[in-house]
Amino acid sequence: EDQVTQSPEALRLQEGESSSLNCSYTVSGLRGLFWYRQDPGKGPEFLFTLYSAGEEKEKERLKATLTKKESFLHITAPKPEDSATYLCAVQAWETSGSRLTFGEGTQLTVNP
Amino acid sequence: NAGVMQNPRHLVRRRGQEARLRCSPMKGHSHVYWYRQLPEEGLKFMVYLQKENIIDESGMPKERFSAEFPKEGPSILRIQQVVRGDSAAYFCASTRRAYNSPLHFGNGTRLTVT
Repeated sequence: EDQVTQSPEALRLQEGESSSLNCSYTVSGLRGLFWYRQDPGKGPEFLFTLYSAGEEKEKERLKATLTKKESFLHITAPKPEDSATYLCAVQAWETSGSRLTFGEGTQLTVNP
Repeated sequence: NAGVMQNPRHLVRRRGQEARLRCSPMKGHSHVYWYRQLPEEGLKFMVYLQKENIIDESGMPKERFSAEFPKEGPSILRIQQVVRGDSAAYFCASTRRAYNSPLHFGNGTRLTVT
């Protein structure tokens, strides 16, 4: 069974204080690893897809990296508007279509 | 380009009633996924549908839950004889291709069973 574990569960940062979120995964064969952002009362918003170890993707203050066992979401000089829950999900070769298995998320709060 | 549309946003049902949740995928998307998010828990896969076909329903409870995606019209998730434990946020997502596509989510339907 595919498993995704995210840490920490919650993270408080001061504006400008860089940090990283971790996503550890166990999957029989990784087709892709996905990062989403979810704001309260909203659906998850797609951020990145990573397909192979060593791959990196960047978007504004966010950078996602992937190894064979985990992924990191690095947040550089965060702003209050980066406050959200960040979700990691895996897609396995053996599962149907584009079905994703999600972790429980890291709730990020950035204080001004 | 409208995103995934779900309605209603909020739904209140008494125990024993039926709940019908609707999802219109993004334009050009023919693959639909339903997920459930319980309070303080992660998103859990329920069912994957293409037009007129259920592809994978391995995450759906065997009783009281059903889903469809007809040739015309939105996808429907139906919960019969609701119980308090069904209270959750139900999210629909769609993709254009079967594989290697990110899921694009709607803003969910929040079901409350009283």
